[in-house]
Amino acid sequence: DVKVTQSSRYLVKRTGEKVFLECVQDMDHENMFWYRQDPGLGLRLIYFSYDVKMKEKGDIPEGYSVSREKKERFSLILESASTNQTSMYLCASSPGSPRGTEAFFGQGTRLTVV
Amino acid sequence: AQTVTQSQPEMSVQEAETVTLSCTYDTSESNYYLFWYKQPPSRQMILVIRQEAYKQQNATENRFSVNFQKAAKSFSLKISDSQLGDTAMYFCAFIARNNDMRFGAGTRLTVKP
Repeated sequence: DVKVTQSSRYLVKRTGEKVFLECVQDMDHENMFWYRQDPGLGLRLIYFSYDVKMKEKGDIPEGYSVSREKKERFSLILESASTNQTSMYLCASSPGSPRGTEAFFGQGTRLTVV
Repeated sequence: AQTVTQSQPEMSVQEAETVTLSCTYDTSESNYYLFWYKQPPSRQMILVIRQEAYKQQNATENRFSVNFQKAAKSFSLKISDSQLGDTAMYFCAFIARNNDMRFGAGTRLTVKP
């Protein structure tokens, strides 16, 4: 079974802190994604990566950065956490080919910024 | 830009009945893929069904089937013989050229006993 593991299920951070959300997948997938899930807005793509050290901005990259130094690990970084970044964060991965293969999701990290 | 629209924020259905969830999308691509994902309460997102745009035949997976209307850019999910375990958020999603997946806002489905 494909496993996508996010390092924390719940996280509470203070405004202004630098926050790291970690995601690891064990299926050698090329593609990895970070989404933010908010009620009524669905999942919005923050960043995705199609290879090591490669990244593309999604729809809402402001206030976030990412790092992919190894194929299995994709980190989301909140440079200076703000209360409007309180949300559920979902990581996903998918194979690079064949195109259109389903993505597999982690269990999510519920981040609260106080 | 590619967008996915789910116009039904919430729906409910009686156990054993049939329900249809709506999804429309907008793209200029000719080759793409569509998905329905299910997110049960406090549990992980899982794939329900997948459709390739170049295939005219509608995908089916047991009690789940889609009505794919390419010209209308519509991709609805039909759940037959609804079960209590079908209670979940359902998300419509889309992949085109870049392999990045875009989602709709979701529909919260409640199956009532």
